[in-house]
Amino acid sequence: GAVVSQHPSWVICKSGTSVKIECRSLDFQATTMFWYRQFPKQSLMLMATSNEGSKATYEQGVEKDKFLINHASLTLSTLTVTSAHPEDSSFYICSAGTTLSGVREQYFGPGTRLTVT
Amino acid sequence: AQSVSQHNHHVILSEAASLELGCNYSYGGTVNLFWYVQYPGQHLQLLLKYFSGDPLVKGIKGFEAEFIKSKFSFNLRKPSVQWSDTAEYFCAAAGRGDYKLSFGAGTTVTVRA
Repeated sequence: GAVVSQHPSWVICKSGTSVKIECRSLDFQATTMFWYRQFPKQSLMLMATSNEGSKATYEQGVEKDKFLINHASLTLSTLTVTSAHPEDSSFYICSAGTTLSGVREQYFGPGTRLTVT
Repeated sequence: AQSVSQHNHHVILSEAASLELGCNYSYGGTVNLFWYVQYPGQHLQLLLKYFSGDPLVKGIKGFEAEFIKSKFSFNLRKPSVQWSDTAEYFCAAAGRGDYKLSFGAGTTVTVRA
């Protein structure tokens, strides 16, 4: 149990276009999901916390108008990178929070590799 | 502020050698602790976690970690590494009752055959 999927697993887009990444909790409901960004050889950087039915909470320094997050249901959160630029190329990872183990815990998706050309 | 620090940036060792990766956390209250592994080009996988109880936690792939409250540490160990253990290892912590994780900077482990 506690499987999280992401789609697509990789995407290439042209500079100036927008790209949407989906994060789904497959076998549980998640009121809280998280979006991370990871650069090569670096740790995960939390971008935002996504709460079902309300606005996402962005970490300091993350442009909320550039990285649009929508948590439309208890099993789906989306991250849209608007007007993408090459510097947005990165590995984007989502996670979903649940208390399936008895305590609050995040389960991670497999990540989406975004390349902006 | 809550934080997690990993002492080693890059560890290189030979097959069959023992591995220990340091992790220290700074939190105001009770914490949940995690070790994750990320193999080259792959996604994050949970190695083990500690919530409460026995401070010696056993995980997958022969890894274990020991929670030492007095030292605010949660070091990861493996008695005998294999070439396939080459990966990035991340320690993370969350306050009890909180989802939000703080990640360490990660340790790159390279195992030479």
